Parts: sequence; structure tokens; C-alpha cells
Amino acid sequence: DAKTTQPNSMESNEEEPVHLPCNHSTISGTDYIHWYRQLPSQGPEYVIHGLTSNVNNRMASLAIAEDRKSSTLILHRATLRDAAVYYCILRGVVAGGTSYGKLTFGQGTILTVHP
Amino acid sequence: GAVVSQHPSRVICKSGTSVKIECRSLDFQATTMFWYRQFPKQSLMLMATSNEGSKATYEQGVEKDKFLINHASLTLSTLTVTSAHPEDSSFYICSASWDRGSSSPLHFGNGTRLTVT
Repeated sequence: DAKTTQPNSMESNEEEPVHLPCNHSTISGTDYIHWYRQLPSQGPEYVIHGLTSNVNNRMASLAIAEDRKSSTLILHRATLRDAAVYYCILRGVVAGGTSYGKLTFGQGTILTVHP
Repeated sequence: GAVVSQHPSRVICKSGTSVKIECRSLDFQATTMFWYRQFPKQSLMLMATSNEGSKATYEQGVEKDKFLINHASLTLSTLTVTSAHPEDSSFYICSASWDRGSSSPLHFGNGTRLTVT
């Protein structure tokens, strides 16, 4: 599986934008970039995903570098409820097996939001 | 949005007993479900991939005879921890996808906290 690299932790102030970086230099052409976040004692929550073009949804924006070797999750106005562990994951197809599209989690980025 | 329900949310059992965890996709048909385990302050570790109507695919190092997975329908997968021991105490999380493609998001249950005494 192609790996991703994220900073261990980041801090932000409430109401300010947050840019969470992710490096994935070994990404393959069929890998989608997925972002999930996890609050304590809960399952991960889907945030956003994309392939090549930048993506926006009600939760966040995803900016993907032209060479696809890095991406940035953008929270436009952080709130206290955005404090979580954010995971950047590549999801691809494992050829020849039944484990299609599995997600392999790295350590993620712990986002702290200050009031 | 897509909802995945996991039950129970918390279970305490005695060493040597078996525990069954259910994962249901409530508003979509889940072709594939994934089972993860998470220890305190660690990331999620994939245990196995469950495909409806076929045998589960286990990750390296995961004992298939200890962690029995059944995906009998497109909306239900179960994980049974057999002969549980204290080292099996962990947070178990399932996720489901309506297709096997990489373009679809995964939807996660809220996890099951297993404590083996």
C-alpha cells in the first residue's frame, strides 16, 4: 500500500482556517486520496476524498497537488468540534485479490483547537 | 448520509468466552465490510476484509480461527472473538462500502469496546 506522511500534531484557534498537509509521494494513478477524522472513543468519520481535482463539501476542502504527491485538507473555520485525529489515506484497488479498496491507517494528525 | 450501526457499543466478558459483534449498514447494501482493531493511543489496524457471500480475507498476523467473520448478507457482517483473553481487549471498529472501488468513501460504525477480564 502506498503510504502517507502527516505531521503528528497541529494547533489552531477557533474561527481560523486550518491547513492539514499530507505527503504521498508513492501514490499510484488509481489511488484516491481519502480523509477521515476520529474523535475519542468513536469510529472514524468520512471527511472528503478526491483523485486529481480539488474538492469541496460542507465539511472541508481538499487541495491536491498537480503531481498528486501531496494534498491539503482545509477546514475553513475551525470549531472546537473539529478537534480530532485526522487521517489521510490512499484507497486503491488491490489487483488479484478480494481486499479491494481497503484503507490502511497511519498515525494521523492530532488537531487541537483553542477557544 | 450512509449509516453503519455497530452493536454492542461496549461489552465485558470473562476470559475464555466468545463475543459476537454485529455491523449493519442501515441504508445501503455493503458489498465489502472491513474490521479494524484499535489499542489505546494507537491508530486503527485492519484485521480483515469481509465480502458478502465469500470467505473473509485476513491481514497477516490475524488469526482467522480466533476472529471469525461472517458476512451473510449485504447489510450484516459479524465478528466473533472466540475464547477471548485479556490481550484481546480493544476497540473494534467496522466499516462498510457499497462497492469495492477506490472512489467510494468508507462509512464506519461507532466501535465496540471489548474488555476481557
